[in-house]
Amino acid sequence: GQNIDQPTEMTATEGAIVQINCTYQTSGFNGLFWYQQHAGEAPTFLSYNVLDGLEEKGRFSSFLSRSKGYSYLLLKELQMKDSASYLCAVMDSNYQLIWGAGTKLIIKP
Amino acid sequence: SQTIHQWPATLVQPVGSPLSLECTVEGTSNPNLYWYRQAAGRGLQLLFYSVGIGQISSEVPQNLSASRPQDRQFILSSKKLLLSDSGFYLCAWSPPGQDNSPLHFGNGTRLTVT
Repeated sequence: GQNIDQPTEMTATEGAIVQINCTYQTSGFNGLFWYQQHAGEAPTFLSYNVLDGLEEKGRFSSFLSRSKGYSYLLLKELQMKDSASYLCAVMDSNYQLIWGAGTKLIIKP
Repeated sequence: SQTIHQWPATLVQPVGSPLSLECTVEGTSNPNLYWYRQAAGRGLQLLFYSVGIGQISSEVPQNLSASRPQDRQFILSSKKLLLSDSGFYLCAWSPPGQDNSPLHFGNGTRLTVT
C-alpha cells in the first residue's frame, strides 16, 4: 500500500530552526508537496519538489531525496504565526495525491 | 486572480437529514475540482474529483455524491447523513491540464452530524 509518515507533533522555540521530516512509500513518484494549515483553516501551498535537492523560499526550505523516499521542511527564524500543521503529500504515478496526517508544530516564546 | 468560495463555513445537521455543500471558483475556466474530507489525526481523504462539467470520479464508496452542474460549480450532497459523515470538508481546484500543479483550497465546511 501507499504510505506517508510524518511526526504527529513537534515543539520549537520562537527564533529557532525546526525540521519536519516526511517519509513516503508510493506507487511511483511525480512530486512532493508541503502545505501549511492553521487550525480550522484550509491548507495553503508552501513548496513543491520533484528533483533531488533543496528548494529555498525565504524562511522556508524543502529538501527531497527520491532514492530514500524522504523529504523535510526546514523553517528558520521561527515566528509565533508559524504555529500550524504541516502536511506532506506525494503525487503517485497516476497523479493522485497521497496525504500524510500532518505534523502539528507548536511554537513557544 | 482566481478565487474559490465554499459555503457554509459550519453546519450542524441531524442524522438522516440531507446535505448540500457548494463550491464555486472564479477567474479560471475548466478547472479540476475536488472534494476532500479531513478527519482529526488523519490525512486528507479524496472523495470526488471532476475534470469537466458532468464528469465525476468517486474515490470512496459512501452515502455522499457530487455534481458539477456548471463549469466552476461543484456540489457535495447526501440524501441521509450518518454520524460518521461528521468532519471538515474541503473543496479545491487546480488548473486544467497541469497534473502536478498544487491544489488551492476553499475555507472548508465544518460538518457536525448529531
